[in-house]
Amino acid sequence: DTGVSQNPRHKITKRGQNVTFRCDPISEHNRLYWYRQTLGQGPEFLTYFQNEAQLEKSRLLSDRFSAERPKGSFSTLEIQRTEQGDSAMYLCASSGIGDEQFFGPGTRLTVL
Amino acid sequence: AQSVAQPEDQVNVAEGNPLTVKCTYSVSGNPYLFWYVQYPNRGLQFLLKYITGDNLVKGSYGFEAEFNKSQTSFHLKKPSALVSDSALYFCIYNFNKFYFGSGTKLNVKP
Repeated sequence: DTGVSQNPRHKITKRGQNVTFRCDPISEHNRLYWYRQTLGQGPEFLTYFQNEAQLEKSRLLSDRFSAERPKGSFSTLEIQRTEQGDSAMYLCASSGIGDEQFFGPGTRLTVL
Repeated sequence: AQSVAQPEDQVNVAEGNPLTVKCTYSVSGNPYLFWYVQYPNRGLQFLLKYITGDNLVKGSYGFEAEFNKSQTSFHLKKPSALVSDSALYFCIYNFNKFYFGSGTKLNVKP
């Protein structure tokens, strides 16, 4: 399968712990996006990379959140000192030449 | 602020009947508009997009959407609904990143 993959698919953690999610985009895509989706809402933009450069960060992305794409391929999203309000589905998408974004299945985070 | 709005949280339609999922936009300039569908436990899937050109856009799975500049709308339509069309549908405005509407849950009943 050559689509966007995300790991893990599910993560349960205790408040205050750190978590890291990984996204592997479609190999030839140079743009990578992270979104967050809470129950009953549409996804909200978090951050965006073009190759290894992080070009934009949402105000939703507090100092506890950091994202990297070190070699312009896979990306990681880390949340430090998790809070219950961080519980959500974290979606990754990639795009190439066109405007269409290809989404992964998401990582569902539950903070207890 | 530039945005898209989906006024209906849920749409119910009988199988075989036409369906419409509504979307209105509030953007300046030329809007780049998309429809995506989200099935449970699966990633968001592209249905169709409007960039420029014909106001009637045809997409995947028999869906189409009509761009109406005077009404600032981009409604999603299908002539004959299938039970398998039941899912969550998002209208999206693209400006460097996706701005999602709140989503409309489509229920197609046999």
